Amino acid sequence: KNEVEQSPQNLTAQEGEFITINCSYSVGISALHWLQQHPGGGIVSLFMLSSGKKKHGRLIATINIQEKHSSLHITASHPRDSAVYICAVDTGNQFYFGTGTSLTVIP
Amino acid sequence: EAGVAQSPRYKIIEKRQSVAFWCNPISGHATLYWYQQILGQGPKLLIQFQNNGVVDDSQLPKDRFSAERLKGVDSTLKIQPAKLEDSAVYLCASSLGGRAIDTQYFGPGTRLTVL
Repeated sequence: KNEVEQSPQNLTAQEGEFITINCSYSVGISALHWLQQHPGGGIVSLFMLSSGKKKHGRLIATINIQEKHSSLHITASHPRDSAVYICAVDTGNQFYFGTGTSLTVIP
Repeated sequence: EAGVAQSPRYKIIEKRQSVAFWCNPISGHATLYWYQQILGQGPKLLIQFQNNGVVDDSQLPKDRFSAERLKGVDSTLKIQPAKLEDSAVYLCASSLGGRAIDTQYFGPGTRLTVL
């Protein structure tokens, strides 16, 4: 069993749709990260969370420490949001990564 | 500000051959990371350097992988000999200090194919 599970694995949406990507983890963490990886391979860090909710533009990330669950939301999705979104957790000793959610937003 | 540089961008080798990857972190960044990302999986941390010392290499297959960061700046990752399962993208990242991943800056990666 993976320490970090993401769902869905693949997601196709129409432009403008509201998108949710989920991440569940089974270890104790000091922080959770959402990363974005574009087809060229470059990875960009979107959020680091240890509690509550963060918002940046059309992106919103939430975390529930008791339930060991986090969600990444994209409002008014756009084709340029097409990428792989990766959830990663930091236990303080080690990072664990999810396998990613491949998002395709169709115009 | 220049980002993290990696070379080569692509490499194709046959199994049992050797290969080396190079990473130049952002100037002034003390911490350097090497990740392996196999197709369909999330990145896996191979090794973390703080200046020229190793902080974490618990997931580095030391029988065939080696890495060094001479003078605490550039780093090389070597695989000798390569196996088919080493086919992956190798990502280098750097941060000013500490382990907060939101301050890590990733390079473009080196895509390795082992035939």
